[in-house]
Amino acid sequence: GQQLNQSPQSMFIQEGEDVSMNCTSSSIFNTWLWYKQEPGEGPVLLIALYKAGELTSNGRLTAQFGITRKDSFLNISASIPSDVGIYFCAGSQAVGNYGGSQGNLIFGKGTKLSVKP
Amino acid sequence: DTGVSQDPRHKITKRGQNVTFRCDPISEHNRLYWYRQTLGQGPEFLTYFQNEAQLEKSRLLSDRFSAERPKGSFSTLEIQRTEQGDSAMYLCASSAPGQVYGYTFGSGTRLTVV
Repeated sequence: GQQLNQSPQSMFIQEGEDVSMNCTSSSIFNTWLWYKQEPGEGPVLLIALYKAGELTSNGRLTAQFGITRKDSFLNISASIPSDVGIYFCAGSQAVGNYGGSQGNLIFGKGTKLSVKP
Repeated sequence: DTGVSQDPRHKITKRGQNVTFRCDPISEHNRLYWYRQTLGQGPEFLTYFQNEAQLEKSRLLSDRFSAERPKGSFSTLEIQRTEQGDSAMYLCASSAPGQVYGYTFGSGTRLTVV
């Protein structure tokens, strides 16, 4: 099936450092999303991207939808201890709200972020 | 808005037993999704409902799995004759009309088959 390649698998950084992670695919996606998951909880949506080339920020988080529609990246600036968790990219190939796999998101395997105070 | 609620949070069952999980979506959300997440992996899509209609099912949803959403409100996911490979976190999510992808996940049900 479809797969998203997410890298790096894990990161161990110092508080205050910037973080960058990315997600690539061999197929085109029409929607890219970034989620954060903490232990014992479900993923929480951070940023949603709907157009190729789109750059969107949410506080210290910035994500971009690659122009080729086959990749996306997430940056976290000035990391803090509460940024610890697993970050997942997810994509959908559905066009608009109708037809195809409307609700089916394909997730990457995640990037585990550890922040040292 | 109390979020997406899943019950139970944890379930340990013996191989061969049947289990049923419940999901209560956010009240005004008409779409409801089930995902499965194994250790070290991202969530994998199982099925989704729009109101009471089950619109899509993944090939991961074998004959032993069945999901229902009577009356378009809460949903149940039943696994019959559980196998050790069914051990996973089962996540439910819901979304409002017009909000297809930015859906809200519940905290999940952790199933352990022994």
